[in-house]
Amino acid sequence: DQQVKQNSPSLSVQEGRISILNCDYTNSMFDYFLWYKKYPAEGPTFLISISSIKDKNEDGRFTVFLNKSAKHLSLHIVPSQPGDSAVYFCAASGTSYDKVIFGPGTSLSVIP
Amino acid sequence: NAGVTQTPKFRVLKTGQSMTLLCAQDMNHEYMYWYRQDPGMGLRLIHYSVGEGTTAKGEVPDGYNVSRLKKQNFLLGLESAAPSQTSVYFCASSLSPYNEQFFGPGTRLTVL
Repeated sequence: DQQVKQNSPSLSVQEGRISILNCDYTNSMFDYFLWYKKYPAEGPTFLISISSIKDKNEDGRFTVFLNKSAKHLSLHIVPSQPGDSAVYFCAASGTSYDKVIFGPGTSLSVIP
Repeated sequence: NAGVTQTPKFRVLKTGQSMTLLCAQDMNHEYMYWYRQDPGMGLRLIHYSVGEGTTAKGEVPDGYNVSRLKKQNFLLGLESAAPSQTSVYFCASSLSPYNEQFFGPGTRLTVL
C-alpha cells in the first residue's frame, strides 16, 4: 500500500518549457513534503520542501505547490534545462512520524 | 567535511555469504537511515536510527540487521545474502525527519 504515489514513471519535456511532476499521498497525517533529485550512480540530493501551512514554495526555477484537500503536490520547473534530466522523488513526513516515506520516482528527460 | 560516506561502493556476494555495509556522517546528525533502491520501487526504508544506540525497522527490514554504536556510524548487515537482496543501498542522515536528508553515494550489491 503506497502512501506516496508518483503515477508518471517518466516525463519528456523540451528545453525551455515547463516540467510538471506530480505526487499524491494518502495519509492526511503527513504535513511536510520534500522533493529530491537523483542522477545516475549518485545519491539523491534535496531540492525543495513545503510544509502544510503553505500552499506554495519557490526556489529559483523550482516551485512546489500543495493542495491539501486533494492530497496532491506538484513540482514545477521553469524553464527546464537539459541538466534537469534526472529522477525526481517526492517524499512525505509528519509530526507523528520519525521517518520519511518516498514515492517511486519520476524520470525526467529534458530534450535540447 | 565529507558529508555521508559509504563503504564499499561495489560488492558481489554468493548466496549465503554475509557482509556489513558501513555508513559514516560528519554532520553530527541524530537521524540515520538505510534505503534500498530497486527499479520502479523508489527508495524503500530498511532500518533507521533516531540516535546513538537506537534502531528501528522500516518498510523492508527482513534479512537485514543494523547497529548504531557511535553517533556518526550506522552499519547494515546481511547475515545470509539472497539474490533478492541484489540492489543499490543508500545511507542518509538528517537532523530530524523534517530536515533534508543527506545521502551517501550508494553501494551496488549483487548476490549471485
